[in-house]
Amino acid sequence: GDSVTQMEGPVTLSEEACLTINCTYTATGYPSLFWYVQYPGEGLQLLLKATKADDKGSNKGFEATYRKETTSFHLEKGSVQVSDSAVYFCALGHLQGGSEKLVFGKGTKLTVNP
Amino acid sequence: EAQVTQNPRYLITVTGKKLTVTCSQNMNHEYMSWYRQDPGLGLRQIYYSMNVEVTDKGDVPEGYKVSRKEKRNFPLILESPSPNQTSLYFCASAGTLNNEQFFGPGTRLTVL
Repeated sequence: GDSVTQMEGPVTLSEEACLTINCTYTATGYPSLFWYVQYPGEGLQLLLKATKADDKGSNKGFEATYRKETTSFHLEKGSVQVSDSAVYFCALGHLQGGSEKLVFGKGTKLTVNP
Repeated sequence: EAQVTQNPRYLITVTGKKLTVTCSQNMNHEYMSWYRQDPGLGLRQIYYSMNVEVTDKGDVPEGYKVSRKEKRNFPLILESPSPNQTSLYFCASAGTLNNEQFFGPGTRLTVL
C-alpha cells in the first residue's frame, strides 16, 4: 500500500538557519504530494503541494520539489524564523480503484530558537 | 468565512457510552474525512466520504461509524468507546483530493 516516510524529529534550529525535512514515499501511479503544518493547539493547514513530477510547490519561503526518480518531496527553507516552530507533515493523495484517501507521514516537530 | 467546525472540542467519557462527534463544513465540498492523531503515529485516516451517501473505510475504521446524509455534515460515531480510542480527532473537507484539504480545529477525546 501507499506509505510516506519522513525524518524523525524533533529538529531544533537557531533563527536564520537552513531547514531540510526529508520525505520519501511509496505509491503506485502518480500521487499528488503535500506538506501540511500544524501550529501548537491548531488543526493542520496546507503549506504547499505538487501534483506531478518535477513540480515545485512553494509558500511562505518554504519549497519542495516532486522528484519521481527518487520518490522524494523534501521540504526546504533557507532561513527559518521563530514563528516557523510547528509540526510538519508530508502526505500523499492517491486514487485507488475509484476511491481516494490521503496518507500522512508521522510528522516532524520543528523548534526554532531566537 | 470558509471553515470546518467540530463539536465538541473536548470530551471525557467512560467506556461503552455511545458518543457522536459532529463535523460540518460550509464550502460545499464533496470530500470529507476523519483522522485520528496519536503521538509517534502521525495522522491515520478513519473513514472518508466522496459525496452524500458514499463512505469508505480508511486505515483504522474499527470501532467507528460514519454517515453522510447531507453534503455539509459528516458525524463520527463511537458506538461503544474504549480507552484505546483516546486520541485527537480531526475532520477535513476538500473539493477534490488534489485540492487543499481544510481541517477542523480538532476534538480531544478521553475514554476512561
